[in-house]
Amino acid sequence: QQQVKQSPQSLIVQKGGISIINCAYENTAFDYFPWYQQFPGKGPALLIAIRPDVSEKKEGRFTISFNKSAKQFSLHIMDSQPGDSATYFCAASIRTSGTYKYIFGTGTRLKVLA
Amino acid sequence: GAGVSQSPSNKVTEKGKDVELRCDPISGHTALYWYRQRLGQGLEFLIYFQGNSAPDKSGLPSDRFSAERTGESVSTLTIQRTQQEDSAVYLCASSLAQRGWSDTQYFGPGTRLTVL
Repeated sequence: QQQVKQSPQSLIVQKGGISIINCAYENTAFDYFPWYQQFPGKGPALLIAIRPDVSEKKEGRFTISFNKSAKQFSLHIMDSQPGDSATYFCAASIRTSGTYKYIFGTGTRLKVLA
Repeated sequence: GAGVSQSPSNKVTEKGKDVELRCDPISGHTALYWYRQRLGQGLEFLIYFQGNSAPDKSGLPSDRFSAERTGESVSTLTIQRTQQEDSAVYLCASSLAQRGWSDTQYFGPGTRLTVL
């Protein structure tokens, strides 16, 4: 019940295309859903996040769509660029013992072709 | 300002040896997290600290793993009698642990551990 399932495992998109990564969760106690971007040799960095009372959040070319009833959320990267090539992790967090515990998806390796 | 730093960046050790990994969080961040990332896989939670105490050690894979934090700052993750399956990137993150609905974690670059 603590798992976050992420798909696809890898994704190849043409420059200018739309990249879509999906995540699903089981635990309805999760209350914060961030996406992280990780470049090779670097730690993950927060990209965008959403709370469950919002169905969509957009920041530049990045949009999170959230479906609470289906317990699914997705990341859309519009006008994908070669510089977006990285590994993307979704996560879900739950408040516990005074702070937040994060459960991460297994990651999606995105390659954007020039 | 300075981000989360980790040292060493790479560590190669022989099976059976002990290793210590260090994390320097962002100044003022009260929460500190350790994760393990095996090659091509997601982040596996190991332990977190609130201040100097560790309320949740549930992710530590065995009693060979331990961690401590002093002065609400530096943390060390110690792996005793290393095994080949311990080979991974060990990531540290810190956060303000603010009240409210969100608490952004800031990650360090990780320590790549290779056990021969």
